[in-house]
Amino acid sequence: EAGVTQFPSHSVIEKGQTVTLRCDPISGHDNLYWYRRVMGKEIKFLLHFVKESKQDESGMPNNRFLAERTGGTYSTLKVQPAELEDSGVYFCASSQASRLYNEQFFGPGTRLTVL
Amino acid sequence: DQQVKQNSPSLSVQEGRISILNCDYTNSMFDYFLWYKKYPAEGPTFLISISSIKDKNEDGRFTVFLNKSAKHLSLHIVPSQPGDSAVYFCAASALSGNNRLAFGKGNQVVVIP
Repeated sequence: EAGVTQFPSHSVIEKGQTVTLRCDPISGHDNLYWYRRVMGKEIKFLLHFVKESKQDESGMPNNRFLAERTGGTYSTLKVQPAELEDSGVYFCASSQASRLYNEQFFGPGTRLTVL
Repeated sequence: DQQVKQNSPSLSVQEGRISILNCDYTNSMFDYFLWYKKYPAEGPTFLISISSIKDKNEDGRFTVFLNKSAKHLSLHIVPSQPGDSAVYFCAASALSGNNRLAFGKGNQVVVIP
C-alpha cells in the first residue's frame, strides 16, 4: 500500500510569488491534515479535511493560504503571495475515519524556501 | 502557547542501554498521546500511542507511560539500537479537537554502537 505522497519535495521561490503544494493521502483515508514546521520550532497544525470538507482551519496563518480537496482525494495548499516567514517544511498526514482515535500517517514533506 | 513540551533536546545513549524520553503537556483536554520518530528528509513515522484511560502501553522494545495527574508521559526504548538514532516527537490530541495533533519540539537521540 502506498503511503502519503507530497509534491514537490523542495520549492525555492521569491517573495511575492505563488506556490502550490500537493498531497496525495493513503487511499481510503477520509481525514487529511496539513502541518508546518518552521525552522527550530515545533510542527504546527494548519487545517483538517474530512473528505472534501474543511473540518478545522484554525491553524491557517492568514488568508494568503488556501487549501482545497476537490473530490475528497488529493489536496493542494496554495500560498499567494509568499512571504519570507512562510519558509519551512509543510507536512501532510492522513488517517482513517472509522476509528475513534487514529494514528496519522505523514508524508515526507515539502521544504519551502522563500527568498 | 506551546501545549506539548519536550525538554533535553538531545540524548546520547550506548547501544543496548535504555533510552528515556520525557514529555509534558498542559491541556487537560488531551486524551490521546503519540510518539513519532523522524529521520532526516522524511516525514514523522508513527511509533506508539496511548489513550488517557491507560497508564502503560508496550510494543516490542518501546513502552509509553502516562501519568495523567502530572500531565506527563515518557517513552522507554530498551534495548537501544543504532537504528533508533532519530528525532522523536511527542504529540497529543483531543477527540473534541478533531484529533489534530499538537507536537513537542522533538528530542534528538543518538545511539552509540
